[in-house]
Amino acid sequence: NAGVTQTPKFRVLKTGQSMTLLCAQDMNHEYMYWYRQDPGMGLRLIHYSVGEGTTAKGEVPDGYNVSRLKKQNFLLGLESAAPSQTSVYFCASNLAGAGTGELFFGEGSRLTVL
Amino acid sequence: LAKTTQPISMDSYEGQEVNITCSHNNIATNDYITWYQQFPSQGPRFIIQGYKTKVTNEVASLFIPADRKSSTLSLPRVSLSDTAVYYCLVGPNQAGTALIFGKGTTLSVSS
Repeated sequence: NAGVTQTPKFRVLKTGQSMTLLCAQDMNHEYMYWYRQDPGMGLRLIHYSVGEGTTAKGEVPDGYNVSRLKKQNFLLGLESAAPSQTSVYFCASNLAGAGTGELFFGEGSRLTVL
Repeated sequence: LAKTTQPISMDSYEGQEVNITCSHNNIATNDYITWYQQFPSQGPRFIIQGYKTKVTNEVASLFIPADRKSSTLSLPRVSLSDTAVYYCLVGPNQAGTALIFGKGTTLSVSS
């Protein structure tokens, strides 16, 4: 089992460029989440999804868009990257209805916006 | 969602027991308490989860008093490899809830 896989692991963008981060999970989990973590800081929720075709805003959704066209994939898009979006992005997934359920995290995608 | 408060940092020595307390005064009836551990450059990983009283697994214990307004993660006989950030997460047993992390506690273990 691969668990939660994030692609790419590293990326450097110029201000104004766009990109998409892919999160894939092979555990048949209903829920998926995107977090960002700035240096020395905690995790902040960007967007999350409770199932295929659904998305919802988290704490810091501005500047990001997401899509969940397939149950196993959750995409995070930056339409016009800004230096403030330099961060490490973590994807996570979990099953429905088991307490908060154990969250399974990917290894992270480190994004630098110049 | 219940807001959580943890100490920013803690220091310990190898072999000692470490207790990290999380305050969650407005915890709801259907909220569970979950603790995660994060090493540098890695995603957090699940440690333990509980609803009330005490839960123990092979790596930690979780103590939750009757009023559930706080919880304590106990790490027995820590080693250098337990140096990490520990997060307390409080959330309900229901579908589709945004899971909001607090700022976490950085534990530093020295020899």
